[in-house]
Amino acid sequence: GAGVSQSPSNKVTEKGKDVELRCDPISGHTALYWYRQSLGQGLEFLIYFQGNSAPDKSGLPSDRFSAERTGGSVSTLTIQRTQQEDSAVYLCASSFASGDSPLHFGNGTRLTVT
Amino acid sequence: QKEVEQNSGPLSVPEGAIASLNCTYSDRGSQSFFWYRQYSGKSPELIMSIYSNGDKEDGRFTAQLNKASQYVSLLIRDSQPSDSATYLCAVHGSSNTGKLIFGQGTTLQVKP
Repeated sequence: GAGVSQSPSNKVTEKGKDVELRCDPISGHTALYWYRQSLGQGLEFLIYFQGNSAPDKSGLPSDRFSAERTGGSVSTLTIQRTQQEDSAVYLCASSFASGDSPLHFGNGTRLTVT
Repeated sequence: QKEVEQNSGPLSVPEGAIASLNCTYSDRGSQSFFWYRQYSGKSPELIMSIYSNGDKEDGRFTAQLNKASQYVSLLIRDSQPSDSATYLCAVHGSSNTGKLIFGQGTTLQVKP
């Protein structure tokens, strides 16, 4: 079956512009995560959606970052007024709701802010 | 104290040796544990999951879990250069939300 799909795969934007990154999780997966990974660094947790519960936004680095998940499926991560330090790979992952379910990752969006 | 801790490495082993990767976690109520492998420039991929104390073997990989010591490890037997990657330990928290927490990863280098 289809895996986690992210688009675009690459995005180059100018400093100060807004960007939207999209994630389409595996069908039936109610949990969805966004991570950021800078070159040579570990996974930085951004936000976690679980079903109809309020999202865990504890990892969002600033109020320029926001995310939505519509209809319990597709999610959009928005970065407003991008800065050069926002350049990174943004990874989306999804899983079933149960606590013993592993995450399945998308291929990521590589964001470059010039 | 970080919720999930790993030695960042790099861990260097010769080809054919056993590589031992370790992970400790702080949430005593955690029940599900995973090991992911991440090649440079790629996304993490699941290689092992473990839920009960003891060992779980899958090919050249063995995951070991000790809940009393809050310790989970991954052994790679007969290490190959193709095993060179970063290995991420992930633990499901015991809270209602069950968020998965990742360690920072250990870089493994297998030298021919």
